[in-house]
Amino acid sequence: GAGVSQSPSNKVTEKGKDVELRCDPISGHTALYWYRQSLGQGLEFLIYFQGNSAPDKSGLPSDRFSAERTGGSVSTLTIQRTQQEDSAVYLCASSLNRVGGYTFGSGTRLTVV
Amino acid sequence: ELKVEQNPLFLSMQEGKNYTIYCNYSTTSDRLYWYRQDPGKSLESLFVLLSNGAVKQEGRLMASLDTKARLSTLHITAAVHDLSATYFCAVDADEGSNYKLTFGKGTLLTVNP
Repeated sequence: GAGVSQSPSNKVTEKGKDVELRCDPISGHTALYWYRQSLGQGLEFLIYFQGNSAPDKSGLPSDRFSAERTGGSVSTLTIQRTQQEDSAVYLCASSLNRVGGYTFGSGTRLTVV
Repeated sequence: ELKVEQNPLFLSMQEGKNYTIYCNYSTTSDRLYWYRQDPGKSLESLFVLLSNGAVKQEGRLMASLDTKARLSTLHITAAVHDLSATYFCAVDADEGSNYKLTFGKGTLLTVNP
């Protein structure tokens, strides 16, 4: 596609429910990142996929968070048993190579009530 | 662990004035990125700086990179209201076999008439 597509754009969920956030990167981009941005805060790294290599999961805040990337393209970030502190905007970015920079999606605003 | 520090974090300036935002980082890297974020929006790429001494300009914004000092600057010339936004710098550095884009906390710029 022309850009990085994320869905849903907004998600309101009850505490304790599981949610899935989707990221469709730019076609051909081998690197895919997930970041979290809490209200008024900077960007917190969550997870990074590069081609067929094992993902870098070092930023995932707890074992309730997981992510996968199928076929080297679409990625899904899953949050189990959501808590109120999970409320944030979840941003996905993809990159062909670092020379070209990173393109961000519009994000998913998650609200846990 | 790579650390990226921006200052100032808050900047209020009058239209027509000049100012500089600073971005320091803690490890060797020759890849630095500047992004703009408007309220409720995603990140828009402004500049990609890929070598020591790189300077790029777009309109009233100019970015430079000094890899020896581990410092990038974003200079604003004759500010206008439309430049009001949050500006992030991000550094892309090797961490073992992976690359991780690490962001500063952002500079909230408000340009007053």
